[in-house]
Amino acid sequence: DAMVIQNPRYQVTQFGKPVTLSCSQTLNHNVMYWYQQKSSQAPKLLFHYYDKDFNNEADTPDNFQSRRPNTSFCFLDIRSPGLGDAAMYLCATSSTYGGAEGYTFGSGTRLTVV
Amino acid sequence: TQLLEQSPQFLSIQEGENLTVYCNSSSVFSSLQWYRQEPGEGPVLLVTVVTGGEVKKLKRLTFQFGDARKDSSLHITAAQPGDTGLYLCAGQGAQKLVFGQGTRLTINP
Repeated sequence: DAMVIQNPRYQVTQFGKPVTLSCSQTLNHNVMYWYQQKSSQAPKLLFHYYDKDFNNEADTPDNFQSRRPNTSFCFLDIRSPGLGDAAMYLCATSSTYGGAEGYTFGSGTRLTVV
Repeated sequence: TQLLEQSPQFLSIQEGENLTVYCNSSSVFSSLQWYRQEPGEGPVLLVTVVTGGEVKKLKRLTFQFGDARKDSSLHITAAQPGDTGLYLCAGQGAQKLVFGQGTRLTINP
């Protein structure tokens, strides 16, 4: 089945130690998104790619970076995780800009910072 | 800035009861989507409404888009424990979806 896969499902990292989360998709969608979601809150968009064009949200901290080496893969790098970065990180895709047909989300990576 | 406000934010009811969740904005959206998110999982798209006044049904769930395309509602009939989850509405923006803050729904057996 076509899907969005995030690895790992759970990640524990030390305060200040760089960490990378990965997302892959078999849908061949042009647009990929990274969201941060804290407990029972709405997902907060960090950035998105339309193909290779990168779009950063104005309030996304510089501590967060992203790479999209090809259509299928997208990575979220947190350069120096702080305790406040503990959250669920969700990757999503859509075939069109604006997501009129809806987003397909992965199952998320739960990040714990110790 | 386009904003979506959902109400209530938390709702806990008994199995078999009916409920309605609201999603309101001062902005007009091209379409509005509803997602359900279960604990530890990503949101899953339930429905997209596009036309003002549109009503869509998904088993016991009824979704309505306001005539002015600024608001939407989700009505659940005879709620079941399997309906438990975080319900998110999302409006279609120019480049991305705008999410509401969600309604945490708990159905007690």
